[in-house]
Amino acid sequence: DQQVKQNSPSLSVQEGRISILNCDYTNSMFDYFLWYKKYPAEGPTFLISISSIKDKNEDGRFTVFLNKSAKHLSLHIVPSQPGDSAVYFCAASATGGFKTIFGAGTRLFVKA
Amino acid sequence: EPEVTQTPSHQVTQMGQEVILRCVPISNHLYFYWYRQILGQKVEFLVSFYNNEISEKSEIFDDQFSVERPDGSNFTLKIRSTKLEDSAMYFCASNPTVNTGELFFGEGSRLTVL
Repeated sequence: DQQVKQNSPSLSVQEGRISILNCDYTNSMFDYFLWYKKYPAEGPTFLISISSIKDKNEDGRFTVFLNKSAKHLSLHIVPSQPGDSAVYFCAASATGGFKTIFGAGTRLFVKA
Repeated sequence: EPEVTQTPSHQVTQMGQEVILRCVPISNHLYFYWYRQILGQKVEFLVSFYNNEISEKSEIFDDQFSVERPDGSNFTLKIRSTKLEDSAMYFCASNPTVNTGELFFGEGSRLTVL
């Protein structure tokens, strides 16, 4: 049941450049989308989110874009820093539901 | 800053044994969750809990699993008869509202079934 898909298992980026992580979803009922960051031996931590009524949300170096017609969202990190190296999970939820569904994650490597 | 705490951090058990994983959610949160991550795979939803009852559960959460909030602070996941495939990292999470999906996760309990 792959309602949230992250097709790139890994991404390598040079420090200072832009990192773009992609995510697709299939369930039209999803109306809230989130990105989580996870370091080894830690739980996921919330990074940024976007409601379906918006197409962009920005927080410092992190911007999430939502294309509802394509059922696609992306996370842009600019400039990328070595400390950004982690696994990034895309997630989605539906209002009134009681679960958040996660993608498989993309491991980001930011090279100094 | 308030955080979700989980114990134990790592448990090794024999197949067929019962395991209880414990969590203390953030104190003013109302919704509680268990997720698991098998090594290298995605974070999978197991169960959500609100108002002292299960709100939603996945197909993974079969009869060998149960959850309980025995007092005002703890939230437990019990696996009655562990199987090798139950080996995973189990994450507890909580949130103050169900409307956004923004979850606060603990650091996880690693379960190894031999």
